[in-house]
Amino acid sequence: KQEVTQIPAALSVPEGENLVLNCSFTDSAIYNLQWFRQDPGKGLTSLLLIQSSQREQTSGRLNASLDKSSGRSTLYIAASQPGDSATYLCAVHDYKLSFGAGTTVTVRA
Amino acid sequence: DTAVSQTPKYLVTQMGNDKSIKCEQNLGHDTMYWYKQDSKKFLKIMFSYNNKELIINETVPNRFSPKSPDKAHLNLHINSLELGDSAVYFCASSQDSGRSQFFGPGTRLTVL
Repeated sequence: KQEVTQIPAALSVPEGENLVLNCSFTDSAIYNLQWFRQDPGKGLTSLLLIQSSQREQTSGRLNASLDKSSGRSTLYIAASQPGDSATYLCAVHDYKLSFGAGTTVTVRA
Repeated sequence: DTAVSQTPKYLVTQMGNDKSIKCEQNLGHDTMYWYKQDSKKFLKIMFSYNNKELIINETVPNRFSPKSPDKAHLNLHINSLELGDSAVYFCASSQDSGRSQFFGPGTRLTVL
């Protein structure tokens, strides 16, 4: 059974600092890994999807890496802004999406 | 032009009632999903449909019955609601099971 862990559970940083969010998973036989953002009371927004054959994906200030053999992914957010405050969810896809519990990020102005 | 829409947004009902949540996607996707997010914010898949056929059923009680009248719609009917069914239910869709999933805004169900 796939288990997904996200550390830390919460993170508070001053504006401008880089964010590093960690995700680990127990079964490396995955198709892909997806990072989502969830704002309070809202649905999920897909940020990045990394295929199992890829090592990283980039979109603007976001960069996600994947080390399938060690069961780890890291989401980097450069030069954080208050608008980046949200919960970030990691989900791994084997035959279904299995989610971590999320990292709640607060960026202080 | 909402990609994945759900109705209603909020649903408050008494224990024992039967209720339905509707989901529609206008992305032309073949696969649709229902997820449950509990009070601890943990998201778990309930069902997945591909071209109107059930492909994933994650040990969900029989009181929950998904129905897909066509590729663009996946509705969730819940019989004999229980207190533990209170949660936020999300619908999602993807082009196929290996692609990015797009989520609806969620339906907050409260069972009194």
